[in-house]
Amino acid sequence: AQSVAQPEDQVNVAEGNPLTVKCTYSVSGNPYLFWYVQYPNRGLQFLLKYITGDNLVKGSYGFEAEFNKSQTSFHLKKPSALVSDSALYFCAVRAGSARQLTFGSGTQLTVLP
Amino acid sequence: NAGVTQTPKFQVLKTGQSMTLQCAQDMNHNSMYWYRQDPGMGLRLIYYSASEGTTDKGEVPNGYNVSRLNKREFSLRLESAAPSQTSVYFCASSEAGTVHEQYFGPGTRLTVT
Repeated sequence: AQSVAQPEDQVNVAEGNPLTVKCTYSVSGNPYLFWYVQYPNRGLQFLLKYITGDNLVKGSYGFEAEFNKSQTSFHLKKPSALVSDSALYFCAVRAGSARQLTFGSGTQLTVLP
Repeated sequence: NAGVTQTPKFQVLKTGQSMTLQCAQDMNHNSMYWYRQDPGMGLRLIYYSASEGTTDKGEVPNGYNVSRLNKREFSLRLESAAPSQTSVYFCASSEAGTVHEQYFGPGTRLTVT
């Protein structure tokens, strides 16, 4: 079985400040981890993924995520938030042998001007 | 490149009516998926098709059927709609294999009264 948790339904941050959106996972075996973003009334857009290798993954729009195997976490980060980053963010996990991707419940990020 | 397209964008059905949601992709992807998105629950997989000619149940398949018409098209059918099927439906596609990200369509907002 595989699962993913996003412990915060809502994250608020001031523009220009660093942001973190948290994600923890549970899988059997090696995880493949993904972050997606959803703007209002739109489909999900892929941001970045961890498959193997360097624990720090860089993605679109200046976002990055750090894979931490001991803490089973894959937190999304950005050094300086923009108002346009305000959106719903989803973490997803897939075990190496799994045929399905499992999504978290989402975190609404609001960047305040 | 249109990516993943879905029709219709909006639909209102009465309980017991049937309808088919259409999805097409122009990225030559082998794998296609249908998800539903409900508030606070993230995305849940309804059905997927790993390759042309194959379909498999996901997490919440009851009340739905699918057809992989060809490599490009993957349709979702509700034979007898119920209010519990009120949701936003997303189609997605990806290259074959577990490491690839999925690309999402814009969604269909379905209301069953």
